[in-house]
Amino acid sequence: QKEVEQNSGPLSVPEGAIASLNCTYSDRGSQSFFWYRQYSGKSPELIMSIYSNGDKEDGRFTAQLNKASQYVSLLIRDSQPSDSATYLCLSGGGADGLTFGKGTHLIIQP
Amino acid sequence: NAGVTQTPKFQVLKTGQSMTLQCAQDMNHNSMYWYRQDPGMGLRLIYYSASEGTTDKGEVPNGYNVSRLNKREFSLRLESAAPSQTSVYFCASSEGPRSGNTIYFGEGSWLTVV
Repeated sequence: QKEVEQNSGPLSVPEGAIASLNCTYSDRGSQSFFWYRQYSGKSPELIMSIYSNGDKEDGRFTAQLNKASQYVSLLIRDSQPSDSATYLCLSGGGADGLTFGKGTHLIIQP
Repeated sequence: NAGVTQTPKFQVLKTGQSMTLQCAQDMNHNSMYWYRQDPGMGLRLIYYSASEGTTDKGEVPNGYNVSRLNKREFSLRLESAAPSQTSVYFCASSEGPRSGNTIYFGEGSWLTVV
């Protein structure tokens, strides 16, 4: 049974702090991982993609992948109220195709 | 710069009525998807089309049918709507189903069945 697990939250983080979002996946064949941000009433939009073990940075966002532990995370530095949203983890490229987690609701407190 | 376009954006149906959600993408993608999203349930795949001419069931296909009309268009049909089909529906596309390429979403269709 393919699974992508995320803590549903809400995860509350003070403005300016680092928000850490985590995701574990069950399909060892997964090759690609994506983080999407979804504001209430809107469609998901891509923030980051990562394919190799290690860190990938893009502005205030850093994605981290550890295939041995089947773990992927998203760090948001200098968190802003506009970062408040639901963050969806997606794994793909494995035997089961594309699998979304149910999302983590992030709240940035001003 | 349209990306994925889906219509209608909002619809209210009576139980037993039928309707079709339309979706078109202009990115020359091979794969297209229909998801539904309900509170606490995340995105659940209804049907997908890996390439033009093929369609496959996803996690929750019951009560739905799809048509991949051509490479650009992928429609979702509710033959006899039920209140359990009240949801937000997202169409999406990507270059391929297992290639690991990015999925792009339409803006969503809010469907209420009364």
